[in-house]
Amino acid sequence: KNEVEQSPQNLTAQEGEFITINCSYSVGISALHWLQQHPGGGIVSLFMLSSGKKKHGRLIATINIQEKHSSLHITASHPRDSAVYICAVKLSGSRLTFGEGTQLTVNP
Amino acid sequence: EAGVTQSPTHLIKTRGQQATLRCSPISGHTSVYWYQQALGLGLQFLLWYDEGEERNRGNFPPRFSGRQFPNYSSELNVNALELEDSALYLCASSQDGSYGYTFGSGTRLTVV
Repeated sequence: KNEVEQSPQNLTAQEGEFITINCSYSVGISALHWLQQHPGGGIVSLFMLSSGKKKHGRLIATINIQEKHSSLHITASHPRDSAVYICAVKLSGSRLTFGEGTQLTVNP
Repeated sequence: EAGVTQSPTHLIKTRGQQATLRCSPISGHTSVYWYQQALGLGLQFLLWYDEGEERNRGNFPPRFSGRQFPNYSSELNVNALELEDSALYLCASSQDGSYGYTFGSGTRLTVV
């Protein structure tokens, strides 16, 4: 079993829809990251969370430490949001452990 | 401010050769991390360098090695290349891991 599980693996939405991507982890962590990977491979760090909720534009990330669960929400989705979204947790020694990613496609 | 820069962008090598990938971290970042993303697979941790020392390595054979220079830039070396080493290699830097990580755009290594 992976230490970090994401769902769904693939998600197709229509422009304007509200999107939720979930991440569950099985070990104690010091921080959780949400990353965005566009075709071609470049990765952008969206959020780093250790508790509560963070918002940046149309993106919202929440984490529940007790339940070992985090969600990434995208409001008013747009085709340019199409990318792979990756959840990563920081375990010991500063290394990140990654989920398998969620491929999001937003159709116009 | 320049982000994390990786070079080359693409690299094609034949089986058995050696590949050298380079990463320059953000100014002020002392930690450099290397990750491998093979086709169809998630990101896997390779190596972590901090202050010139290797701090941790992932579950990869000794053919994968690297170093960090006094200016905190880093090299990843892959010896005796195998076809399955074909992947996107991503470098990330951070100040000390307590803050965020900044990723480079990656080097796509193709072994033929």
